[in-house]
Amino acid sequence: RKEVEQDPGPFNVPEGATVAFNCTYSNSASQSFFWYRQDCRKEPKLLMSVYSSGNEDGRFTAQLNRASQYISLLIRDSKLSDSATYLCVVVSGGYQKVTFGIGTKLQVIP
Amino acid sequence: DGGITQSPKYLFRKEGQNVTLSCEQNLNHDAMYWYRQDPGQGLRLIYYSQIVNDFQKGDIAEGYSVSREKKESFPLTVTSAQKNPTAFYLCASSSRGAATDTQYFGPGTRLTVL
Repeated sequence: RKEVEQDPGPFNVPEGATVAFNCTYSNSASQSFFWYRQDCRKEPKLLMSVYSSGNEDGRFTAQLNRASQYISLLIRDSKLSDSATYLCVVVSGGYQKVTFGIGTKLQVIP
Repeated sequence: DGGITQSPKYLFRKEGQNVTLSCEQNLNHDAMYWYRQDPGQGLRLIYYSQIVNDFQKGDIAEGYSVSREKKESFPLTVTSAQKNPTAFYLCASSSRGAATDTQYFGPGTRLTVL
């Protein structure tokens, strides 16, 4: 089993739709979780950290489920500008163990 | 402006040649990292450094070398021993290298071996 697994997609959704991505991880001792956004041929940029209590930033909501070992990202009212690849990042031991998922590609269509 | 710079943006090299990719940050971060990204794969860690004059191998260090002589600089050399060097190389930094620290990425260098 891969350490971090994501559905690569693509997810094609109409503008205004709600879309959710999951990311599963195998190391139950993982400490920190993040969602990054990567536009085509660009560097990843932090979208949001994921906390046990869940967190929300505008149209974006991230959740952590430690019991089932997955994190999720929910995007409400999708915009064309949300089209990108969303990378799940799991940190198991500080700088020495940062694992990136392969990313889920989202395409928002008019 | 604070940030991470990488140069060059595109790099072409002939098979058998060594090449050095530059990474500079002015964020005063202690930790720096090098990743490579290939189509259909997540970012994979090549080397990381938590402090000046110290660095550790990541998951795919074979065929690569680094140095960390200054806090703000972490150059990566792709040697001729690296079997599949064509990839997108990303440098990152974080404040202390702690598990909760955000990593900030440079714009990347696309290396193509001809």
